[in-house]
Amino acid sequence: GAVVSQHPSRVICKSGTSVKIECRSLDFQATTMFWYRQFPKQSLMLMATSNEGSKATYEQGVEKDKFLINHASLTLSTLTVTSAHPEDSSFYICSARTDRGGYGYTFGSGTRLTVV
Amino acid sequence: AQSVTQLDSHVSVSEGTPVLLRCNYSSSYSPSLFWYVQHPNKGLQLLLKYTSAATLVKGINGFEAEFKKSETSFHLTKPSAHMSDAAEYFCAVSGSTGGGNKLTFGTGTQLKVEL
Repeated sequence: GAVVSQHPSRVICKSGTSVKIECRSLDFQATTMFWYRQFPKQSLMLMATSNEGSKATYEQGVEKDKFLINHASLTLSTLTVTSAHPEDSSFYICSARTDRGGYGYTFGSGTRLTVV
Repeated sequence: AQSVTQLDSHVSVSEGTPVLLRCNYSSSYSPSLFWYVQHPNKGLQLLLKYTSAATLVKGINGFEAEFKKSETSFHLTKPSAHMSDAAEYFCAVSGSTGGGNKLTFGTGTQLKVEL
């Protein structure tokens, strides 16, 4: 089936530095990918929709300059957390639309970001 | 607009007994509905989905769900719980709204399975 690979699975960074998270569709082309943020014991909150070859669409309240999204190819989308602060610590998950096996969404395994 | 309400934040069952996780949805369009399971620090795994075909949907690991339009519900069931079913479960809805085919998640239900 459709597989989405997300890296890294865990990252610890210092305040003020930037972190890049990659999301790859391994066996299909993903024209649209979604980035979510999940706080402990809470649901997934959509941050932005990433479209190949165009600018991402951000949800209300999400800082575009803080969370940079690039979808340069049909198999790769990246999320860069710029000038990270402890409050950015969270679990980030990407997802891709797929029609393989019928309409649906495939999720990456998530990235645990800890900013110290 | 679309939304999902998961009525129980925590459900506890004994191993071998039935599981019922409740989900109600709201959508202005014909919705697609999904159930996902998440183990700690992991991504989401699709259990099953409803996309306007049969209203009784069978998924993986013995789970199934029934789409009831009159009740706007999509409850997840399993006849006999296993210890490995202990996890967080999310109901989600997607529809052809002005926001595109985005998934909207419920707040999740933590399933605990006891011996």
